[in-house]
Amino acid sequence: EPEVTQTPSHQVTQMGQEVILRCVPISNHLYFYWYRQILGQKVEFLVSFYNNEISEKSEIFDDQFSVERPDGSNFTLKIRSTKLEDSAMYFCASSEAEFYTEAFFGQGTRLTVV
Amino acid sequence: DQQVKQNSPSLSVQEGRISILNCDYTNSMFDYFLWYKKYPAEGPTFLISISSIKDKNEDGRFTVFLNKSAKHLSLHIVPSQPGDSAVYFCAGGQAGTALIFGKGTTLSVSS
Repeated sequence: EPEVTQTPSHQVTQMGQEVILRCVPISNHLYFYWYRQILGQKVEFLVSFYNNEISEKSEIFDDQFSVERPDGSNFTLKIRSTKLEDSAMYFCASSEAEFYTEAFFGQGTRLTVV
Repeated sequence: DQQVKQNSPSLSVQEGRISILNCDYTNSMFDYFLWYKKYPAEGPTFLISISSIKDKNEDGRFTVFLNKSAKHLSLHIVPSQPGDSAVYFCAGGQAGTALIFGKGTTLSVSS
């Protein structure tokens, strides 16, 4: 069964460093998303991406964040100058169409900023 | 502003009994609702959905009920099994926008 894969599963980084979280969406999907879940809190939407551009972003997704689909298969989330409060599980998701169909989530990357 | 609220952080049920997970929403523009299930160290997986024009959708042991006037939906699991123990997220969606998730309810099914 096709699945969304995310690497790494766990990333530890020092405060102020840049991190890149990687995702390989399901191959025929056209819409891509990043969500995050801070420990003990709800799953929060960060950004959606379609046709090589951001289609929607939340207020969390400020200039510190960027997304890219560099090679037609990977979908990356870059976090510049990480802060302690960026520590969270980051989930990538993809869907065939806009959210009339369910999105398929990856297993997540746990980001720990120390 | 919490558009989707799951007010019960946890629920404990005995195997074989019914589990009822509740969700309230404030955004009357949602076109559809989905339930996701999440095990530790895994991403959420889609469980069941319902369109805003329906009041019930059933899939095996899982039934979702929607009460639009009360802006409330619930997920019923009958009979509950130990393998159902997970965090359940309710999410609302509308065309052209991302899913909005609730905080989740941790279901524990004991044998």
